[in-house]
Amino acid sequence: DGGITQSPKYLFRKEGQNVTLSCEQNLNHDAMYWYRQDPGQGLRLIYYSQIVNDFQKGDIAEGYSVSREKKESFPLTVTSAQKNPTAFYLCASTVTSLSYNEQFFGPGTRLTVL
Amino acid sequence: GQSLEQPSEVTAVEGAIVQINCTYQTSGFYGLSWYQQHDGGAPTFLSYNGLDGLEETGRFSSFLSRSDSYGYLLLQELQMKDSASYFCAVRDYSGAGSYQLTFGKGTKLSVIP
Repeated sequence: DGGITQSPKYLFRKEGQNVTLSCEQNLNHDAMYWYRQDPGQGLRLIYYSQIVNDFQKGDIAEGYSVSREKKESFPLTVTSAQKNPTAFYLCASTVTSLSYNEQFFGPGTRLTVL
Repeated sequence: GQSLEQPSEVTAVEGAIVQINCTYQTSGFYGLSWYQQHDGGAPTFLSYNGLDGLEETGRFSSFLSRSDSYGYLLLQELQMKDSASYFCAVRDYSGAGSYQLTFGKGTKLSVIP
């Protein structure tokens, strides 16, 4: 079955530690996205990537980093520079960002920084 | 910048009809989408309006008026499983030939018996 997987579902880290969230898709989609969702809030775009080896900052990129070495994978690193990292992180993909296509979302990773 | 306004909460009775409104202010506009998200789950796509008018998909319909910067999602024959958060999202141009979505804060719909 095609889809997007994110792991782990729940993640706990100590303050000051970097942590990497995994996102893998087997939909053969070109574009991938990372969003952050806080309680009672909408989704805010962190980073997105249109093609392999290319990515752009979204609205709240500070304190985060990404890589896109393979089409299927778009990992997100939450660095110690992110002031308030506790949130629900959602990865999404779409066939291409150049024309309208719906975004497919993974199940999310809930990160708690202690 | 972009801003979207939608009601934070709506309550409706099972079997009834409910309308969730969305108004937006954007520097560029290429369409309005709606997503559904159950508690703790992933958003799922419901509908997209690129042009003015009504789009119907089963019990769900979505409407767009670009001149009024306004759209709505209409849910008919409400079922308990429709209890969820509903997000409108504006598709706008992000440069370098690509588009991105800007989401509203969501409307929490509670369906009661």
